Amino acid sequence: ILNVEQSPQSLHVQEGDSTNFTCSFPSSNFYALHWYRWETAKSPEALFVMTLNGDEKKKGRISATLNTKEGYSYLYIKGSQPEDSATYLCASLNDYKLSFGAGTTVTVRA
Amino acid sequence: DAEITQSPRHKITETGRQVTLACHQTWNHNNMFWYRQDLGHGLRLIHYSYGVQDTNKGEVSDGYSVSRSNTEDLPLTLESAASSQTSVYFCASSDGQGGETQYFGPGTRLLVL
Repeated sequence: ILNVEQSPQSLHVQEGDSTNFTCSFPSSNFYALHWYRWETAKSPEALFVMTLNGDEKKKGRISATLNTKEGYSYLYIKGSQPEDSATYLCASLNDYKLSFGAGTTVTVRA
Repeated sequence: DAEITQSPRHKITETGRQVTLACHQTWNHNNMFWYRQDLGHGLRLIHYSYGVQDTNKGEVSDGYSVSRSNTEDLPLTLESAASSQTSVYFCASSDGQGGETQYFGPGTRLLVL
């Protein structure tokens, strides 16, 4: 069982503010880092898959970075909007096994 | 459009009963996965399959079994349901060698009384 940790567990953001949160994962036998967005009562939806150290991905106002040497990834939300409210899951693929973190729940206040 | 479906969406059963949750995908993906979601644990892998006739145990496989007789389906069976198996179950599929994006079904909410 891999130790994939996300912090903080939850956060509240004022509309228009930017925020970021962390996923830490084992760096040994690492193949890929996934980010998913999970809205209440829906299924997780893929945001990014990153594999290389230094990778940066962007989708609209959401972006992510990857540091495989130290085993962490940041997810950034720029200019948060109420529709960004969701739980953001990261998952680390090590030895071809995908392990999920418990998620960071983001609530954007209008 | 390709999709992944789960049935039933909600199920109430009694302890000791055998329960089977269905997962069907039309993506033609080789890889299929079953997860359970519980408060404070995120998604935990129960079983997974990398192709027809291939099945593997995940981190919380005790009390569950799967079979993969074709590409499209990976049913999850609870041999003798226990209250600890009350949870929301998600099926997912992916292509390639297993590291690619997973596409999730809508989930099945199971209550074991």
